[in-house]
Amino acid sequence: EAGVAQSPRYKIIEKRQSVAFWCNPISGHATLYWYQQILGQGPKLLIQFQNNGVVDDSQLPKDRFSAERLKGVDSTLKIQPAKLEDSAVYLCASSLVPRVETQYFGPGTRLLVL
Amino acid sequence: AQTVTQSQPEMSVQEAETVTLSCTYDTSESDYYLFWYKQPPSRQMILVIRQEAYKQQNATENRFSVNFQKAAKSFSLKISDSQLGDAAMYFCASWGPYNDMRFGAGTRLTVKP
Repeated sequence: EAGVAQSPRYKIIEKRQSVAFWCNPISGHATLYWYQQILGQGPKLLIQFQNNGVVDDSQLPKDRFSAERLKGVDSTLKIQPAKLEDSAVYLCASSLVPRVETQYFGPGTRLLVL
Repeated sequence: AQTVTQSQPEMSVQEAETVTLSCTYDTSESDYYLFWYKQPPSRQMILVIRQEAYKQQNATENRFSVNFQKAAKSFSLKISDSQLGDAAMYFCASWGPYNDMRFGAGTRLTVKP
């Protein structure tokens, strides 16, 4: 079965610019997660979707970050405007159901904000 | 809040030897799941092993096994017969109370030939 797909793999932007990341989860996985992984740290959950509804976005900086999951499949994460501290790897993961099932991760998008 | 702590930022092991990575967690729940993930330099995070807290038997996957001490809230990963391909960041993780996965800070494992 195909894994979690993400694009782009790398992105370099200047501060105050906007950027968007795309994620396609494993087919049939109802739960989708976006994580931010700063260099040298473990992933931090930004937002969790169950189908096309938001389950948890308590750690999403809503003044600049937004995410959507249209039709309960693909998802996009947007940053506008970007700050230097947003430089990180953005990981997308999916699972059949939360809590019990294993999460499967995509390769990530490495963002550098100059 | 549910926390996961990995106290070893870096570990090193000789090829073919055994190494143990430590992890402690804090939870108020009685039923939960624990995970070890591996993240090679390519950044694709993959599951190494998982443990259901209600199971007393320690999980094993080939050369990887865990030592799960529920009372002590300890969940260590043992890698036997270490191989060069085992070199990676290893993250301990558990589900939080709101179905959010909490990760430790990670342990960087180096395998020496």
